Amino acid sequence: LAKTTQPISMDSYEGQEVNITCSHNNIATNDYITWYQQFPSQGPRFIIQGYKTKVTNEVASLFIPADRKSSTLSLPRVSLSDTAVYYCLVGDYNSGNTPLVFGKGTRLSVIA
Amino acid sequence: DSGVTQTPKHLITATGQRVTLRCSPRSGDLSVYWYQQSLDQGLQFLIQYYNGEERAKGNILERFSAQQFPDLHSELNLSSLELGDSALYFCASSGEFNQPQHFGDGTRLSIL
Repeated sequence: LAKTTQPISMDSYEGQEVNITCSHNNIATNDYITWYQQFPSQGPRFIIQGYKTKVTNEVASLFIPADRKSSTLSLPRVSLSDTAVYYCLVGDYNSGNTPLVFGKGTRLSVIA
Repeated sequence: DSGVTQTPKHLITATGQRVTLRCSPRSGDLSVYWYQQSLDQGLQFLIQYYNGEERAKGNILERFSAQQFPDLHSELNLSSLELGDSALYFCASSGEFNQPQHFGDGTRLSIL
């Protein structure tokens, strides 16, 4: 499984756009990129998943450059409730053997 | 609500004891995963079951075992408990292989 590197922490003011970048230099051809959000004492919550280019849903966008060696999670207009830990994961989710390997994640603090 | 149900939410027991954690996956999901989250180790994959059969094994101790029943619910059995087993235990489920995993809210296990 490809190793990921992301910032340990980030701070942002309410209403701003937050971009969290994840590096995954040894990503494999069949690997997908998935982001999860976790609040204290709760299970991780799926945010978004992509393979290449750009994916957007109702809560976030995921930008993946052509070489796929990095990805950026974009959270538009964050609020205090977006304060959480965000995990970037890379894996081959088509293999049927898809345990998630979590790193330390990025602790996002949103300030009023 | 992820649709994954874990019981009990909290469990307090003593060293040397045995406990069983239960997980009901989302309706229709065939895969169940167990993860352990402790302060020093972060989120770690323990074991995966797919339609009743063990599919993948992670950092699961020999004192721990799991199974998935015909109705697809799963149980994680922890025996000869040690202080270091105190952690949050999460269950996740997913549908077909390229679908994201959805997590329950975990069982907090405290060993006294």
